[in-house]
Amino acid sequence: DIQMTQSPSSLSASVGDRVTITCRASQGISNYLAWFQQRPGKAPKSLIYAAFNLQSGVPSKFSGSGSGTDFTLTISSLQPEDFATYYCQQYSTYPRTFGQGTKVEIK
Amino acid sequence: QVQLVESGGGLVKPGGSLRLSCAASGFTFSDYYMNWIRQAPGKGLEWVSYISSGSSYADYADSVKGRFTISRDNAKNSLYLQMNSLRAEDTAVYYCARGSVSDYWGQGTLVTVSS
Repeated sequence: DIQMTQSPSSLSASVGDRVTITCRASQGISNYLAWFQQRPGKAPKSLIYAAFNLQSGVPSKFSGSGSGTDFTLTISSLQPEDFATYYCQQYSTYPRTFGQGTKVEIK
Repeated sequence: QVQLVESGGGLVKPGGSLRLSCAASGFTFSDYYMNWIRQAPGKGLEWVSYISSGSSYADYADSVKGRFTISRDNAKNSLYLQMNSLRAEDTAVYYCARGSVSDYWGQGTLVTVSS
């Protein structure tokens, strides 16, 4: 199985900060990488697919990059609604696997 | 608009069975393969199973293989997960999600396995 490792596991940031989350795959997955946001008590929401493509309706402050084994999710200017847990997922092979999550908290 | 609505969760004893359903609307259900993904209390996301658009292909996480069966009825726009031999570690919120990139998710249904 492909292991997905996110870093950091949690971070504290202020409104307006630029935040970057890293996701590393244990083997190459080309660009078959998705990012999800989960607010407390809510279902996950798709943000990005194919490493850098924004889902419809997702604001452009979110961006993704990377290919192969190393990927990043960047939030350009953190807003109160962005405080949540973020997950990466590879969809290159089965079983699909998720990173452990990165919790973004208010400083 | 795309909607996915899960149902069928509840409290069940270890060794028991439960059947989850996911009702889809707002898109051509038969065009998409579908996933079940779960989240144990306070934990991360775990992919459980997928089924192809025409039910020809399916796969499962090792943790549920041989105990869970995914199915769908395209005429009813519905996805199912038959869960047998349930264990305490199957306790989770179960979500259905659409397609290879899981672009839409339902609100989830809670399954609690406890005596």
